[in-house]
Amino acid sequence: AQSVSQHNHHVILSEAASLELGCNYSYGGTVNLFWYVQYPGQHLQLLLKYFSGDPLVKGIKGFEAEFIKSKFSFNLRKPSVQWSDTAEYFCAVNALSSGTYKYIFGTGTRLKVLA
Amino acid sequence: NAGVTQTPKFQVLKTGQSMTLQCAQDMNHEYMSWYRQDPGMGLRLIHYSVGAGITDQGEVPNGYNVSRSTTEDFPLRLLSAAPSQTSVYFCASSSDRGGGYTFGSGTRLTVV
Repeated sequence: AQSVSQHNHHVILSEAASLELGCNYSYGGTVNLFWYVQYPGQHLQLLLKYFSGDPLVKGIKGFEAEFIKSKFSFNLRKPSVQWSDTAEYFCAVNALSSGTYKYIFGTGTRLKVLA
Repeated sequence: NAGVTQTPKFQVLKTGQSMTLQCAQDMNHEYMSWYRQDPGMGLRLIHYSVGAGITDQGEVPNGYNVSRSTTEDFPLRLLSAAPSQTSVYFCASSSDRGGGYTFGSGTRLTVV
Protein backbone atom coordinates (compact mmCIF):
# COMPACT_ATOMS: atom_id res chain seq x y z
CA ALA A 1 0.00 0.00 0.00
CA GLN A 2 1.08 3.55 -0.66
CA SER A 3 2.65 5.16 2.42
CA VAL A 4 4.69 8.17 3.47
CA SER A 5 7.27 8.00 6.26
CA GLN A 6 8.66 10.92 8.20
CA HIS A 7 11.41 9.60 10.41
CA ASN A 8 11.82 12.50 12.82
CA HIS A 9 8.78 13.12 14.96
CA HIS A 10 10.27 15.94 17.01
CA VAL A 11 13.19 18.21 16.14
CA ILE A 12 14.61 20.97 18.31
CA LEU A 13 17.04 23.49 16.83
CA SER A 14 18.55 26.79 17.79
CA GLU A 15 18.01 29.82 15.59
CA ALA A 16 20.38 29.96 12.59
CA ALA A 17 20.89 26.19 12.61
CA SER A 18 20.35 24.28 9.39
CA LEU A 19 17.30 22.08 8.99
CA GLU A 20 16.74 18.84 7.13
CA LEU A 21 13.54 16.84 7.57
CA GLY A 22 13.34 13.40 6.01
CA CYS A 23 10.48 12.05 3.92
CA ASN A 24 10.32 8.69 2.17
CA TYR A 25 7.43 7.23 0.23
CA SER A 26 6.65 3.75 -0.95
CA TYR A 27 5.27 3.89 -4.46
CA GLY A 28 6.98 2.99 -7.70
CA GLY A 29 4.88 4.94 -10.16
CA THR A 30 4.62 8.60 -11.02
CA VAL A 31 4.13 10.75 -7.94
CA ASN A 32 3.57 14.36 -7.08
CA LEU A 33 5.25 15.40 -3.85
CA PHE A 34 4.45 18.14 -1.37
CA TRP A 35 5.50 19.69 1.89
CA TYR A 36 2.97 21.48 4.07
CA VAL A 37 3.43 23.52 7.23
CA GLN A 38 0.99 23.88 10.10
CA TYR A 39 1.66 26.72 12.53
CA PRO A 40 0.23 26.28 16.04
CA GLY A 41 -3.56 26.47 15.99
CA GLN A 42 -3.76 26.95 12.25
CA HIS A 43 -4.57 24.89 9.18
CA LEU A 44 -2.08 23.40 6.77
CA GLN A 45 -0.44 25.61 4.17
CA LEU A 46 1.48 24.50 1.11
CA LEU A 47 5.25 25.12 1.37
CA LEU A 48 6.38 23.63 -1.92
CA LYS A 49 5.58 20.97 -4.48
CA TYR A 50 7.32 18.78 -7.03
CA PHE A 51 5.66 17.53 -10.19
CA SER A 52 8.51 17.04 -12.66
CA GLY A 53 11.70 18.65 -13.95
CA ASP A 54 14.44 20.02 -11.70
CA PRO A 55 14.53 17.76 -8.64
CA LEU A 56 15.54 20.69 -6.42
CA VAL A 57 12.41 22.64 -5.64
CA LYS A 58 12.32 26.02 -3.94
CA GLY A 59 9.33 27.07 -1.89
CA ILE A 60 8.21 29.92 0.29
CA LYS A 61 10.06 31.30 3.32
CA GLY A 62 13.46 30.00 2.19
CA PHE A 63 12.54 26.32 2.20
CA GLU A 64 13.67 23.89 -0.47
CA ALA A 65 13.32 20.17 -1.08
CA GLU A 66 15.19 17.65 -3.15
CA PHE A 67 13.53 14.76 -4.94
CA ILE A 68 15.80 11.71 -5.18
CA LYS A 69 13.94 9.14 -7.22
CA SER A 70 16.37 6.28 -6.54
CA LYS A 71 15.88 6.74 -2.80
CA PHE A 72 12.13 7.46 -2.93
CA SER A 73 12.90 10.53 -0.87
CA PHE A 74 11.81 14.17 -0.78
CA ASN A 75 13.67 15.82 2.08
CA LEU A 76 12.93 19.36 3.21
CA ARG A 77 15.79 21.75 3.94
CA LYS A 78 16.40 25.27 5.15
CA PRO A 79 19.89 26.69 5.60
CA SER A 80 19.10 28.86 8.62
CA VAL A 81 15.93 28.48 10.68
CA GLN A 82 14.14 31.22 12.57
CA TRP A 83 12.02 31.13 15.70
CA SER A 84 8.98 31.73 13.49
CA ASP A 85 9.60 28.39 11.74
CA THR A 86 8.33 26.60 14.84
CA ALA A 87 5.53 24.47 13.42
CA GLU A 88 4.59 20.98 12.34
CA TYR A 89 5.70 19.89 8.88
CA PHE A 90 3.94 17.30 6.77
CA CYS A 91 5.16 15.51 3.69
CA ALA A 92 2.49 14.32 1.26
CA VAL A 93 2.34 12.18 -1.87
CA ASN A 94 -0.29 12.20 -4.57
CA ALA A 95 -0.12 9.10 -6.72
CA LEU A 96 -2.28 7.00 -8.97
CA SER A 97 -3.59 3.99 -7.08
CA SER A 98 -6.27 1.56 -8.27
CA GLY A 99 -7.31 3.88 -11.04
CA THR A 100 -7.60 7.04 -9.01
CA TYR A 101 -5.35 9.59 -7.37
CA LYS A 102 -5.01 9.46 -3.61
CA TYR A 103 -3.36 12.06 -1.47
CA ILE A 104 -1.50 10.53 1.48
CA PHE A 105 0.20 12.45 4.30
CA GLY A 106 3.05 11.48 6.56
CA THR A 107 2.62 11.59 10.32
CA GLY A 108 4.36 14.95 10.61
CA THR A 109 7.51 16.36 12.20
CA ARG A 110 7.13 18.85 14.99
CA LEU A 111 9.88 21.48 14.82
CA LYS A 112 10.73 23.73 17.70
CA VAL A 113 13.21 26.55 17.16
CA LEU A 114 14.78 28.04 20.25
CA ALA A 115 15.42 31.77 20.22
CA ASN B 1 -12.08 35.95 0.55
CA ALA B 2 -11.67 32.97 -1.74
CA GLY B 3 -10.90 29.70 -0.06
CA VAL B 4 -12.32 26.74 1.82
CA THR B 5 -14.87 27.47 4.53
CA GLN B 6 -15.65 24.96 7.25
CA THR B 7 -18.41 25.17 9.81
CA PRO B 8 -18.69 24.83 12.73
CA LYS B 9 -15.24 25.53 14.19
CA PHE B 10 -16.00 23.67 17.42
CA GLN B 11 -18.60 21.05 18.30
CA VAL B 12 -19.34 18.79 21.24
CA LEU B 13 -21.55 15.77 20.62
CA LYS B 14 -22.92 13.04 22.81
CA THR B 15 -22.28 9.45 21.86
CA GLY B 16 -24.87 8.31 19.34
CA GLN B 17 -25.76 11.75 18.04
CA SER B 18 -25.44 12.54 14.36
CA MET B 19 -24.25 15.74 12.73
CA THR B 20 -22.97 17.23 9.51
CA LEU B 21 -19.72 19.12 9.11
CA GLN B 22 -20.02 21.65 6.35
CA CYS B 23 -17.37 22.45 3.75
CA ALA B 24 -17.66 24.92 0.90
CA GLN B 25 -15.12 26.27 -1.58
CA ASP B 26 -15.52 29.11 -4.04
CA MET B 27 -12.54 28.37 -6.27
CA ASN B 28 -14.39 26.00 -8.63
CA HIS B 29 -12.10 23.17 -7.57
CA GLU B 30 -13.04 19.69 -8.73
CA TYR B 31 -11.15 17.76 -6.09
CA MET B 32 -12.21 17.84 -2.46
CA SER B 33 -11.26 15.70 0.51
CA TRP B 34 -11.94 15.25 4.18
CA TYR B 35 -9.16 14.42 6.60
CA ARG B 36 -9.01 13.85 10.31
CA GLN B 37 -5.95 14.86 12.28
CA ASP B 38 -5.01 13.01 15.44
CA PRO B 39 -1.83 13.44 17.53
CA GLY B 40 1.03 11.30 16.22
CA MET B 41 -1.01 10.02 13.29
CA GLY B 42 -0.82 12.90 10.84
CA LEU B 43 -3.74 13.42 8.51
CA ARG B 44 -5.81 10.44 7.48
CA LEU B 45 -8.07 10.54 4.47
CA ILE B 46 -11.73 9.85 5.24
CA HIS B 47 -13.50 10.43 1.91
CA TYR B 48 -12.72 12.29 -1.25
CA SER B 49 -14.44 13.50 -4.39
CA VAL B 50 -13.15 14.08 -7.91
CA GLY B 51 -16.19 16.05 -9.01
CA ALA B 52 -19.89 16.62 -8.45
CA GLY B 53 -21.68 13.31 -8.03
CA ILE B 54 -18.49 11.30 -7.57
CA THR B 55 -17.15 10.25 -4.17
CA ASP B 56 -14.92 7.49 -2.89
CA GLN B 57 -13.56 6.14 0.37
CA GLY B 58 -10.21 6.96 1.85
CA GLU B 59 -8.24 5.22 4.60
CA VAL B 60 -10.73 5.61 7.46
CA PRO B 61 -14.27 5.89 6.05
CA ASN B 62 -16.19 3.89 8.65
CA GLY B 63 -18.79 5.92 10.50
CA TYR B 64 -18.80 8.75 7.96
CA ASN B 65 -20.82 9.54 4.85
CA VAL B 66 -20.29 12.18 2.18
CA SER B 67 -22.11 13.51 -0.83
CA ARG B 68 -21.17 15.96 -3.58
CA SER B 69 -24.28 17.38 -5.18
CA THR B 70 -22.53 20.58 -6.29
CA THR B 71 -18.95 21.53 -7.11
CA GLU B 72 -18.87 23.95 -4.18
CA ASP B 73 -20.11 21.83 -1.28
CA PHE B 74 -18.77 18.63 0.27
CA PRO B 75 -20.47 17.90 3.62
CA LEU B 76 -19.28 15.16 5.97
CA ARG B 77 -21.91 13.33 7.98
CA LEU B 78 -21.27 11.47 11.20
CA LEU B 79 -23.97 8.84 11.42
CA SER B 80 -23.75 7.89 15.10
CA ALA B 81 -20.95 9.68 16.90
CA ALA B 82 -18.45 7.68 18.96
CA PRO B 83 -15.66 8.88 21.27
CA SER B 84 -13.14 7.50 18.75
CA GLN B 85 -14.31 10.20 16.36
CA THR B 86 -13.00 12.94 18.62
CA SER B 87 -10.55 14.70 16.33
CA VAL B 88 -9.83 17.78 14.26
CA TYR B 89 -11.41 17.55 10.83
CA PHE B 90 -10.02 19.35 7.80
CA CYS B 91 -11.62 19.82 4.43
CA ALA B 92 -9.34 20.53 1.46
CA SER B 93 -9.75 21.25 -2.23
CA SER B 94 -7.58 21.27 -5.32
CA SER B 95 -8.01 22.36 -8.91
CA ASP B 96 -6.46 19.22 -10.34
CA ARG B 97 -5.70 15.70 -9.28
CA GLY B 98 -1.99 16.32 -8.93
CA GLY B 99 -2.12 19.75 -7.38
CA GLY B 100 -1.52 21.17 -3.94
CA TYR B 101 -4.44 21.42 -1.57
CA THR B 102 -6.06 24.49 -0.07
CA PHE B 103 -7.21 23.63 3.44
CA GLY B 104 -10.06 24.94 5.52
CA SER B 105 -9.48 26.14 9.06
CA GLY B 106 -10.74 22.92 10.61
CA THR B 107 -13.51 21.69 12.91
CA ARG B 108 -12.56 20.52 16.38
CA LEU B 109 -15.03 17.79 17.34
CA THR B 110 -15.34 16.24 20.78
CA VAL B 111 -17.59 13.25 21.37
CA VAL B 112 -18.44 12.57 25.01
